[in-house]
Amino acid sequence: AQSVTQPDIHITVSEGASLELRCNYSYGATPYLFWYVQSPGQGLQLLLKYFSGDTLVQGIKGFEAEFKRSQSSFNLRKPSVHWSDAAEYFCAVGAKNQGGKLIFGQGTELSVKP
Amino acid sequence: KAGVTQTPRYLIKTRGQQVTLSCSPISGHRSVSWYQQTPGQGLQFLFEYFSETQRNKGNFPGRFSGRQFSNSRSEMNVSTLELGDSALYLCASSLAGALSGANVLTFGAGSRLTVL
Repeated sequence: AQSVTQPDIHITVSEGASLELRCNYSYGATPYLFWYVQSPGQGLQLLLKYFSGDTLVQGIKGFEAEFKRSQSSFNLRKPSVHWSDAAEYFCAVGAKNQGGKLIFGQGTELSVKP
Repeated sequence: KAGVTQTPRYLIKTRGQQVTLSCSPISGHRSVSWYQQTPGQGLQFLFEYFSETQRNKGNFPGRFSGRQFSNSRSEMNVSTLELGDSALYLCASSLAGALSGANVLTFGAGSRLTVL
């Protein structure tokens, strides 16, 4: 069965520090991978996506993610966190013939210390 | 370009009632997907509509239903509400349909349903 695991429920980092959010997936076929961010009371905003090609993908707001097939991982990184990055982050997996059906991880809540 | 619009944003219902939520996709987007978000279960896929046809369905009881109109606007309905239906219901639209390749979802802000 398809699944997505985000091992860290809550992470706190200091402003200016680097960030890595972990995501592991279980999927039989070649996955489409996404990272979304959700601020309180809001919908989800797409940060970046991976469909194929270069395994290091760049997204908005200075985020990047690396697809590692051997580890079934798609970790999200940012070199320097800003206070405005505090939010909940979701990793999701989809597939070519699944259209709008994504499997989401449980999310990682990010807090940023001043 | 207007985003995905969901109405109402907040609503309160009582057990046994029914509710209808509306979603207007981004202009030109023909696919609309619905998700339920709860603290316990997280984000779960409800169903997807493309060109007025349901293309994908999640594992929800028949009380949850939806439809799509010719202008791509979509509604979802929940009948005989239960306390556990309290959730944020998110709608997302995309250009592509279920049989296409890359499918990038743009989400609305959601409809917050509270069942008392």
